[in-house]
Amino acid sequence: QVQLQESGPGLVKPSETLSLTCAVSGDSMSSFYWSWIRQPPNKGLEWIGYVYYSGNTNYNPSLKSRVTMSVDSSKSQFSLRLTSVTAADTAVYYCARQNYDVFTGSYYFDSWGHGSLVTVSS
Amino acid sequence: SSELTQDLAVSVALGQTVRITCQGDSLRSNFATWYQQKPGQAPVLVIYGENKRPSGIPDRFSGSRSGNTASLTITGAQTEDEADYYCNSRDISGPPQFAGGTKLTVL
Repeated sequence: QVQLQESGPGLVKPSETLSLTCAVSGDSMSSFYWSWIRQPPNKGLEWIGYVYYSGNTNYNPSLKSRVTMSVDSSKSQFSLRLTSVTAADTAVYYCARQNYDVFTGSYYFDSWGHGSLVTVSS
Repeated sequence: SSELTQDLAVSVALGQTVRITCQGDSLRSNFATWYQQKPGQAPVLVIYGENKRPSGIPDRFSGSRSGNTASLTITGAQTEDEADYYCNSRDISGPPQFAGGTKLTVL
């Protein structure tokens, strides 16, 4: 049973860079996509992007200019960097494993971390 | 990009059947995935590949699709099913997208 755990600062100043890491345990990172998803307070979910175990990435077009994701399989972890943050980036940030059902062509998030609240404030 | 839309809130009497729907053009060619989220917790996958349940998800949860509408049906709703439910699918252009979520109340 794979487990994910986010870590990083809970408070970031406006215009600075948000950095989070997700530690993966219980399974190999190989052959999976590893995603970041966020949820502003009392709002819905927003997919930020994914990094494949090989290092390939795909980002939400709305955040693409500010997002960088990376993976370190040797340490079983992957990371998120979001630059030039504003109050609108205040959210709970989840890391999740993105799996693929070959029979239906569906992607789905089958394992999630508990979430890390990041507040953007001076 | 196209959008996915859900009703804001739905209620069901204990033990009755409820259907939560999700609409969007991308659903004509992509199956929906459904997540349950309880207050203060991370989302949990309940349905994927249109109607597959991960291990541990009760069989009262089922999924279906017709045209541009995907549905999550709970047959015999229980108190513990009270939660927010999110529909997710690929956008027409490819990236995953979530609908706004439906708050389910079990009366």
